[in-house]
Amino acid sequence: GENVEQHPSTLSVQEGDSAVIKCTYSDSASNYFPWYKQELGKRPQLIIDIRSNVGEKKDQRIAVTLNKTAKHFSLHITETQPEDSAVYFCAAYSGGYQKVTFGTGTKLQVIP
Amino acid sequence: DAGVTQSPTHLIKTRGQQVTLRCSPKSGHDTVSWYQQALGQGPQFIFQYYEEEERQRGNFPDRFSGHQFPNYSSELNVNALLLGDSALYLCASSKDRVGGEQYFGPGTRLTVT
Repeated sequence: GENVEQHPSTLSVQEGDSAVIKCTYSDSASNYFPWYKQELGKRPQLIIDIRSNVGEKKDQRIAVTLNKTAKHFSLHITETQPEDSAVYFCAAYSGGYQKVTFGTGTKLQVIP
Repeated sequence: DAGVTQSPTHLIKTRGQQVTLRCSPKSGHDTVSWYQQALGQGPQFIFQYYEEEERQRGNFPDRFSGHQFPNYSSELNVNALLLGDSALYLCASSKDRVGGEQYFGPGTRLTVT
């Protein structure tokens, strides 16, 4: 089955700096890669996603890149703000978007 | 427009008991997926329901079963509870064939003692 590895497990950055979180996946059939933000005690919320036919996608301060050959994708957050502090999860979907595997999460702390 | 709702919010059960968790999908969604999220871990896929049938299943034992009703709402049943079943159970809904974008409910916190 699919295996998704996520690094780092924790990340501390100064406010205004950039943060990068990386994920690798094993199933070459995976074709949809969302990123979720989960604040303490709250539900995961989709923040950005990318499909296998695209190499990069950007939404304001957030961007995701995908390297299908190397089977890895990354989340980039620029100009970080304290409200960006949360746990971020990557995920990989296969089987026609029916089967999903989540990464283990990255706890991001933005220091004011 | 209500988002995904789940009930109950919290639940405490004893080892060996059975539990039923409920989920109502976002309006317009017809697919419901269930996840188990242990403390400090990512969500683990349990199974997905579409057209009242289990379509995909993760690596969970048969003690975990579910159901989807004609109105697309869903139940997750867990039999013979173990201490290790203590977790946050998340339900997520999506519109089939719309790229897998899922909307999560607030979850049910299950504690097994």
